[in-house]
Amino acid sequence: AQSVTQLGSHVSVSEGALVLLRCNYSSSVPPYLFWYVQYPNQGLQLLLKYTSAATLVKGINGFEAEFKKSETSFHLTKPSAHMSDAAEYFCAVSGSYGQNFVFGPGTRLSVLP
Amino acid sequence: NAGVTQTPKFQVLKTGQSMTLQCAQDMNHEYMSWYRQDPGMGLRLIHYSVGAGITDQGEVPNGYNVSRSTTEDFPLRLLSAAPSQTSVYFCASRAGGYTGELFFGEGSRLTVL
Repeated sequence: AQSVTQLGSHVSVSEGALVLLRCNYSSSVPPYLFWYVQYPNQGLQLLLKYTSAATLVKGINGFEAEFKKSETSFHLTKPSAHMSDAAEYFCAVSGSYGQNFVFGPGTRLSVLP
Repeated sequence: NAGVTQTPKFQVLKTGQSMTLQCAQDMNHEYMSWYRQDPGMGLRLIHYSVGAGITDQGEVPNGYNVSRSTTEDFPLRLLSAAPSQTSVYFCASRAGGYTGELFFGEGSRLTVL
């Protein structure tokens, strides 16, 4: 079975500050990991994904995430927050034995001026 | 590119009524799925399909039916709506293979009175 936890349902940062959104996963098989962003009243949009190539993955809008197998983590970071980054962020895991995704509960990011 | 198209975007039902949420994708994806999104619970898988004529249950299938007669379409039917089915519903399709990401529709907001 696979599961995803996201520490912090709501994170606030100041504009220009570092963004760190945490994701830990549980998987009995090598995982494929994804970060999605959801802007208000919209669907989910892929930010980046890890599929067993490089452990440091770069995505859109300046975000990146590092896969750490020893910590079962896939935290999302961005060096400098922008007001347009305010949204909800979801971490998800998929495994090599099935095509279904398991999503975390989400973290709402607020960016303060 | 239309991608994944869901209709309707908004719907209000009375308890006991039935309705169908439509989903169509134009990317020739074999895998399609339906999720519901509720506050603090992330996205939960309702039903999924790995190809025309093949469907299976996800995490929360009760009260919902699906069928897959074509690669493009994957409708979700609510048989007898209940207030607990008030939610935002997302249809998603997946690119080929286990490393492909999910592509989401814009969502359908359903309220059951």
